[in-house]
Amino acid sequence: EIVLTQSPGTLSLSPGERATLSCRASQSVSSSYLAWYQQKPGQAPRLLIYGASSRATGIPDRFSGSGSGTDFTLTISRLEPEDFAVYYCQQYGSSPPNTFGQGTRLEIK
Amino acid sequence: EVQLVESGGGLVQPGGSLRLSCAASGFTFSSYAMHWVRQAPGKGLEYVSAISSNGGSTYYANSVKGRFTISRDNSKNTLYLQMGSLRAEDMAVYYCARGLFKQWLVPFVGDYWGQGTLVTVSS
Repeated sequence: EIVLTQSPGTLSLSPGERATLSCRASQSVSSSYLAWYQQKPGQAPRLLIYGASSRATGIPDRFSGSGSGTDFTLTISRLEPEDFAVYYCQQYGSSPPNTFGQGTRLEIK
Repeated sequence: EVQLVESGGGLVQPGGSLRLSCAASGFTFSSYAMHWVRQAPGKGLEYVSAISSNGGSTYYANSVKGRFTISRDNSKNTLYLQMGSLRAEDMAVYYCARGLFKQWLVPFVGDYWGQGTLVTVSS
């Protein structure tokens, strides 16, 4: 069973800084079928990235995804106040399908 | 505008049943596979179930297989999740979500999500 491990658990940064979030899979993710979601308190998840690097509709270009195989990264180039949230990665290419990482909390420093 | 609105959550005793609904609007519901994802209080996301666009195929996570049934009524633009033999570990906010790739059943990427409905399992 594929397990996704996100690091760090919590990331403390200031607006304007660059954020780098990691998602490591216990085995290779088929076809780079990896997505990233943002979730704010009391809200549903919001799709940011799919296919490891494709931005979803309406997502600002300060969000970018990269990686393949077992190592994936979500980068936010310049943090805006509204970017502070919990971020989840999710794989959809391996068995069992559709597993999520445990999340990274991005908080204001 | 795509909208998904869940309803039907509430308090249920262990071993009980509950049916969730998800009313969809703003897109051609009958063209998309639909999904349920849940989130226990203070925890991460867990994929639950999927149904194909015409309702002919379904998928369940092992944790709910045999206890939950997903269905849809394309004439009413509504998705359902019938939950039975509920356990404490089923307590969560249940989200319905549209699949980004219309016809993909099992590989899930959720491009639109509802606001969720809370299911509490307690005696």
